[in-house]
Amino acid sequence: DIQMTQSPSSLSASVGDRVTITCRASQSISTYLNWYQQKPGKAPKVLIYGASSLWSGVPSRFRGSGSGTDFTLTISSLQPEDVATYYCQQSDSNFRTFGPGTKVEIK
Amino acid sequence: QVQMVESGGGVVQPGRSLRLSCEASGFTFSNYGMHWVRQAPGKGLEWVAVIWYDGSNKYYADSVKGRFTASRDNSRNTLYLQMDSLRVEDTAVYYCAGYQSHVAGAFDPWGQGTLVTVSS
Repeated sequence: DIQMTQSPSSLSASVGDRVTITCRASQSISTYLNWYQQKPGKAPKVLIYGASSLWSGVPSRFRGSGSGTDFTLTISSLQPEDVATYYCQQSDSNFRTFGPGTKVEIK
Repeated sequence: QVQMVESGGGVVQPGRSLRLSCEASGFTFSNYGMHWVRQAPGKGLEWVAVIWYDGSNKYYADSVKGRFTASRDNSRNTLYLQMDSLRVEDTAVYYCAGYQSHVAGAFDPWGQGTLVTVSS
């Protein structure tokens, strides 16, 4: 199975800061990488699909990049409503796997 | 509007069975492959199973293989997860989620989740 790792596991940043989360796959997955945001008690929501495409309705401050094994989610200007846990997920294999998550808080 | 409503969760003893349902509305269910994803209390997301849009293929995580069975009834716009030989470690919120290949298989839409508690 393809293993996914994320770093950092948590971060605290100020409103307006640029935030970067990285995700690494254990083998090349081309651009079959998706990012999700999950707020407490809610189902996850997709932010980015295909490594860099913005899902409909998602604010443009969210940006994804990368290919192969290394990927990045960037929030260009952190907003209070962005407090959540972020997960990467590979869709290269039928056996989908998620990263362990990155919890984002406001300083 | 697009919606998926899960049901069937509850408290069950180890070794017993439970069947979850996920009823879709507001979109063409038969055009979507469907996944089950779970989240243990305070933990991250764990992929459980996938069933193709027509039910022709199914794949399972090693942790549930041989115990869980995904199925669907496209005439009823409903997805199922039959969970047998339940273990304490199966305790989690279970989500159903749809996907389509043309958006890199991203999971959308999602259900609201249903809690399964396995405890004696």
